[in-house]
Amino acid sequence: AQSVAQPEDQVNVAEGNPLTVKCTYSVSGNPYLFWYVQYPNRGLQFLLKYITGDNLVKGSYGFEAEFNKSQTSFHLKKPSALVSDSALYFCAVRDIPLGAAGNKLTFGGGTRVLVKP
Amino acid sequence: EPEVTQTPSHQVTQMGQEVILRCVPISNHLYFYWYRQILGQKVEFLVSFYNNEISEKSEIFDDQFSVERPDGSNFTLKIRSTKLEDSAMYFCASSESFGGSNQPQHFGDGTRLSIL
Repeated sequence: AQSVAQPEDQVNVAEGNPLTVKCTYSVSGNPYLFWYVQYPNRGLQFLLKYITGDNLVKGSYGFEAEFNKSQTSFHLKKPSALVSDSALYFCAVRDIPLGAAGNKLTFGGGTRVLVKP
Repeated sequence: EPEVTQTPSHQVTQMGQEVILRCVPISNHLYFYWYRQILGQKVEFLVSFYNNEISEKSEIFDDQFSVERPDGSNFTLKIRSTKLEDSAMYFCASSESFGGSNQPQHFGDGTRLSIL
């Protein structure tokens, strides 16, 4: 069974400082990894994905994430955080076992990011 | 940019009543999904739907739940006899068919279902 862990419930960072949101995963096949952001009273907005290829993927709003197979991690990063980045961030994995289609997303518990001016 | 739209934004229903949550997926998408998020808990997969049939469902999606694509634009989730524990935010999502399962799912803003 696939699972995702986000070890931090909340991350506080000063505006202009680097932001990192941690995610580790467990799958039986090859992982497809995703990050989503949720603003208050809104749905989940897609930020970026890792499918294959370069381990560093770039996404929306200046975010990037690094896939690390040996550590089974997919941490979200932003070099310089903005106050407007304050939101709830979700890591998700789609497990693709050999021979299966598999569209279900499994989400982590979410990390609340608070960027202070 | 095209969006997934969900109605209503908030639904209040008496326990035991039937409720239908409605979604309009992005127009060229062919995979549809329902997820739910109980307050303070993880977003949980309920069901995926493709080519007019359920392709996968979770253990949460029991006989009380059903999904339907009644016309070319709507995708609905029905709960036949609601229970208190069905209170949650329900999210609809859709994704493109091209590229299969490596395409991101795009989510609506959700329907908050409150069971009294």
